[in-house]
Amino acid sequence: QVQLVESGGGVVQPGGSLRLSCAASGFGFSGHGMHWARQRPGTGLEWVAYISWGGHNREYAVSVGGRFTISRDDATNTVFLQMNSLTIDDTAVYYCVKEFSSGWTLDFWGQGNQVTVSS
Amino acid sequence: DIVLTQSPLSSPVTLGQPASISCRSSHSLVHSDGNTYLSWLHQRPGQPPRLLIYQISNRFSGVPDRFSGSGAGTDFTLKISGVEAEDVGTYYCTQGTRFPWTFGQGTKVEIK
Repeated sequence: QVQLVESGGGVVQPGGSLRLSCAASGFGFSGHGMHWARQRPGTGLEWVAYISWGGHNREYAVSVGGRFTISRDDATNTVFLQMNSLTIDDTAVYYCVKEFSSGWTLDFWGQGNQVTVSS
Repeated sequence: DIVLTQSPLSSPVTLGQPASISCRSSHSLVHSDGNTYLSWLHQRPGQPPRLLIYQISNRFSGVPDRFSGSGAGTDFTLKISGVEAEDVGTYYCTQGTRFPWTFGQGTKVEIK
């Protein structure tokens, strides 16, 4: 049974940093690409970042490029999102998402982790 | 960026009646590998999204057969043959053909 458990969210001041973690289980983690997506309050979904299996390829949304860094640790089945220079617009529920084995599809979403940027 | 435009944005439906959601892409979603990575997600209030349909028309594991997807190129449709109470929520189309991956605005399905 696939499980993705996010942690590390919370309240932070503008300009601050947070590091989100996602502990994965129930599937062959090292063989799957992983993503982060977010949902601002009362709005739709926004893709944030991607890391390939093996960690060699990474992609970011323009809105977070240069501020956010995605990484993974296959030894502990964990994917991370380091978020720096946070702004109020980064306030959202952040989801860890597993990529489908057939590729290029988001097939399983974690429960989400709230990040609030506020002074 | 690829823009996905859904219609309608709201769909009041009578239980047991069909529903249809359109998703139009600003660019062809055919990947260089020949596949089309257009999928549909369903999100109930307070829950994370879950995958319904992938690569236009393939139902994900455990998805009831009242859900079907169709389309090609830039025009895609999700159909529910007979809406059940558990189908309420917001439906999103999404593409994984080209980075940055994008989502449609969402279509809210509610019972009349």
